[in-house]
Amino acid sequence: GAVVSQHPSWVICKSGTSVKIECRSLDFQATTMFWYRQFPKQSLMLMATSNEGSKATYEQGVEKDKFLINHASLTLSTLTVTSAHPEDSSFYICSARDSGIQPQHFGDGTRLSIL
Amino acid sequence: RKEVEQDPGPFNVPEGATVAFNCTYSNSASQSFFWYRQDCRKEPKLLMSVYSSGNEDGRFTAQLNRASQYISLLIRDSKLSDSATYLCVVLSSGTYKYIFGTGTRLKVLA
Repeated sequence: GAVVSQHPSWVICKSGTSVKIECRSLDFQATTMFWYRQFPKQSLMLMATSNEGSKATYEQGVEKDKFLINHASLTLSTLTVTSAHPEDSSFYICSARDSGIQPQHFGDGTRLSIL
Repeated sequence: RKEVEQDPGPFNVPEGATVAFNCTYSNSASQSFFWYRQDCRKEPKLLMSVYSSGNEDGRFTAQLNRASQYISLLIRDSKLSDSATYLCVVLSSGTYKYIFGTGTRLKVLA
């Protein structure tokens, strides 16, 4: 149980492109989903928290107009990296949980490379 | 002081060895704790939640010491497949966000 699917796994695209990443909870309802970014040899960095049906809460220093998050249903959240640049290249990971104290379950991650 | 601190390692141990990792946290109000493992270039996977009374899952034992504000993970009879980074995670009281340790890298040698 507690499977979170993330798609796509890999994206390579040109600078200026917008990239959409999907995160789905397959066998439970995720009231809250989280988006993280991880650079090589560093820990996960929380970008934003999204609750179904409401606006995402972004961490300090994360541009909400750059990283658009939509959490339209209890099983799907999307992250769109708008006008991506090489410095946006990173490993993006989503996670989901069904209630406050339950553990988060992570998606497979998306490796984004901007040329 | 970091909210969650771990020794980054690496810990290099022979197959069959017993190895233990500690993790300290600064917020005494923290209520929930977890150990995750993360393989290179992969997502974190939940290894086990940590309960007040301590808990065991096969070769893995987790313990919580609230007085000293640390949690531990013990791995017995290490396997080559245990090689990974072990992340200590504390659930922030109030915000319910995860606070990650830097991770402890374990390498089990044949």
